[in-house]
Formats: sequence, structure tokens, C-alpha cells
Amino acid sequence: GAGVSQSPSNKVTEKGKDVELRCDPISGHTALYWYRQSLGQGLEFLIYFQGNSAPDKSGLPSDRFSAERTGGSVSTLTIQRTQQEDSAVYLCASSPSRGYQPQHFGDGTRLSIL
Amino acid sequence: QKEVEQNSGPLSVPEGAIASLNCTYSDRGSQSFFWYRQYSGKSPELIMFIYSNGDKEDGRFTAQLNKASQYVSLLIRDSQPSDSATYLCAVRGNEKLTFGTGTRLTIIP
Repeated sequence: GAGVSQSPSNKVTEKGKDVELRCDPISGHTALYWYRQSLGQGLEFLIYFQGNSAPDKSGLPSDRFSAERTGGSVSTLTIQRTQQEDSAVYLCASSPSRGYQPQHFGDGTRLSIL
Repeated sequence: QKEVEQNSGPLSVPEGAIASLNCTYSDRGSQSFFWYRQYSGKSPELIMFIYSNGDKEDGRFTAQLNKASQYVSLLIRDSQPSDSATYLCAVRGNEKLTFGTGTRLTIIP
């Protein structure tokens, strides 16, 4: 497809387990962003990639959260030892390059921690 | 003070009327401004973006930016029931977007 693709669309896991969320950006988009949206809340920035580098990780809430991007394309957000407060929709966005270009969002992964 | 502030609503507007959504931001260095529409359970969808002071029109939508007042707005003309959604204002300073909490808009048939 032409849009940002995220998987899985839904993930239910037990507290303490590790989870991996995947994002496949729009082809050719060099910038990739992860956001989190908790129930009834606005979007919270997590991390930004330009190519395979992450110049801004300032939004990662704790060292349990990490992300990587390979080949300038697919990105994986990993949450270790999940906690109930990690329950949220995790959204990935991409844009053609740095600067003024708009960001386009995927459908998100709804993560539920039991 | 929140970085990006929006009236949370809900804002109810009769079908066919003009809906006016407002947003203020605190960072004077912000360079670009975006309006996203988000239906319940869905991801944000880009509606408009604006970089320069003044108005930008696209169909029934007009974005207005006043950098001196740190204010950006979205007007929706001839409102339709399908416009009922939450509208998110987003401001870009460096690379990341900072979002307001959104205004819930309901168009009343």
C-alpha cells in the first residue's frame, strides 16, 4: 500500500512481558516518528529518526523503551518489562524529509497490558 | 502553561454553518502548523498545514495563522455531519510535532 503500515494492529500482553511494534513508512520518506496516545489524551512524541539515526529520543518515557530503524525504512519500537501504564495506541508517522513537510500517520497499534 | 492549547469542546455546530476551531501555542520559534482530523478509534488524518501568516484555503477548509499573536485557527464552511470528529492542532518547532489535546466537533443535522 501507499500509506504508513503498522503491525500488529492490536496487541494484548501480560504485565512484565516484552513487546515489539513495527512501522513501515511510506516509500521514500526519510523521516520517521513514533508517538503515543493514551485514552482521552493528546499525542505524545516519543522518538524521531532521520535515516537510521535518532537525533531526538527525548520523548521515550523510560529506559524500558527503545527503538531502531534499519535500511532507512522499517522501524521497531520495543517496550521491555511492560507496565499497565504502557497501555496506549502507538502511532508511527513519516514525512519525505526534514523541515516543513507534513507527517502522515499509520493506523497505529493498540497495546493493552493486562 | 501547555505548549499547544485548544478548547476541548465539545463544539456543536448546525449542519451548513461555519465551524471555527482555535489553537494557541507558546513557542515563538515554531515554524509550521498543522490541523489533523481524528475519528473515534482511528489515526489522525492531515487536513491542512500552514507556514506563513495569513489565510490558506483548501475547499471548505481555511487555516489562519497569526504568528504575532501565536494563534492558528481552522474554519470549516458548509459543515457536514461527516465533519464530526476531534480536530488536533499540531505545531512544529524542530522535527517533532507538539499536539494540543484536540477539540471535539459535532455537526448537528
